[in-house]
Amino acid sequence: QKEVEQNSGPLSVPEGAIASLNCTYSDRGSQSFFWYRQYSGKSPELIMSIYSNGDKEDGRFTAQLNKASQYVSLLIRDSQPSDSATYLCAVSDSNYQLIWGAGTKLIIKP
Amino acid sequence: EAGVAQSPRYKIIEKRQSVAFWCNPISGHATLYWYQQILGQGPKLLIQFQNNGVVDDSQLPKDRFSAERLKGVDSTLKIQPAKLEDSAVYLCASSHHGGGYTGELFFGEGSRLTVL
Repeated sequence: QKEVEQNSGPLSVPEGAIASLNCTYSDRGSQSFFWYRQYSGKSPELIMSIYSNGDKEDGRFTAQLNKASQYVSLLIRDSQPSDSATYLCAVSDSNYQLIWGAGTKLIIKP
Repeated sequence: EAGVAQSPRYKIIEKRQSVAFWCNPISGHATLYWYQQILGQGPKLLIQFQNNGVVDDSQLPKDRFSAERLKGVDSTLKIQPAKLEDSAVYLCASSHHGGGYTGELFFGEGSRLTVL
């Protein structure tokens, strides 16, 4: 059973600080990794994708991938109250099927 | 560009009744997905279509759930008879390619089902 694990939270971070969200996956053959943001009562939306080891930056967001450790993370710099949401990690497995984590609820405190 | 359209947004039914959800994907998107999302959980894939064909329906409870995608465009998901545990949000998503290649799925607003 291929799995994607996330801490359910909630993760509480002060406004302006760095929020760090983590995800581990079981399938070593996984090739692509994605972070979706889901506001309460809304649908998920893609915010970051990463395909190779290392860091990928997009504005205040940085995705980090370590395939050897089967670990992917999302850093949010200068956290804003509008970043409060559930962050879903999704992994494309060796069969190119998306496996979803349960999500981490992030709360940014003003 | 119009997004993924879903209806109805909300539905309340009694257990053992039936319900149907409709989805119209983004124009030109070959792949269509139906997900079930229970509060506090990640999306669970029910069925994936590539054009008219089914790619994956391994987690679809086939004794009560059915789905079709006619002419490779619109899709309907039906539940008959509904159980209490079917209370969830049913998300339709589409992608240009199979989602595993790009991971970029575009979701509709969802249909929230409450079974009493």
